[in-house]
Amino acid sequence: RKEVEQDPGPFNVPEGATVAFNCTYSNSASQSFFWYRQDCRKEPKLLMSVYSSGNEDGRFTAQLNRASQYISLLIRDSKLSDSATYLCGGDSSYKLIFGSGTRLLVRP
Amino acid sequence: EPEVTQTPSHQVTQMGQEVILRCVPISNHLYFYWYRQILGQKVEFLVSFYNNEISEKSEIFDDQFSVERPDGSNFTLKIRSTKLEDSAMYFCASSEKVAGTFGSGTRLTVV
Repeated sequence: RKEVEQDPGPFNVPEGATVAFNCTYSNSASQSFFWYRQDCRKEPKLLMSVYSSGNEDGRFTAQLNRASQYISLLIRDSKLSDSATYLCGGDSSYKLIFGSGTRLLVRP
Repeated sequence: EPEVTQTPSHQVTQMGQEVILRCVPISNHLYFYWYRQILGQKVEFLVSFYNNEISEKSEIFDDQFSVERPDGSNFTLKIRSTKLEDSAMYFCASSEKVAGTFGSGTRLTVV
């Protein structure tokens, strides 16, 4: 089983829609989780850290469910500029293990 | 905003040649990483470096690869005897703890 798994998408949504991504992880020893955003042929950029109590930043909400070993990212009122690939990552002793990413396309 | 700097942005090399990819991490960060992303695939961990030594390495990071921190600022990845399948984007990252800041990457093309 892969350490971090994501639905590759693409999720194709209209502007203003709410969209949610899930990510599951297999390493129960992982303590910290993160969502990164990656634009085409660019580096991953940290979007949010996710801790056991969750995290909200403007239109973005990240939630961690340790019992079920999944992390979610909710984007409200999506913008055209939200179009990107969203990478879920979990720490595993001095390194980040990423999922394959979920591609989001926001259309006008 | 502090950033991780990588050079060159694009490197083309012939199969069998050695390449050195360079990175300048954020100055007060203690952990350094190299990741690789083959076109269309996921970002894969290669190696982590802390306190002047390798903390962990993946199964990808075999004897063909090595890392160095030759001075107080640079962090390099050396790939010996490059193969076609080494063609990828190589990202350097640094962090105070785990969530790293990534450099803009070096696109390595082996021909």
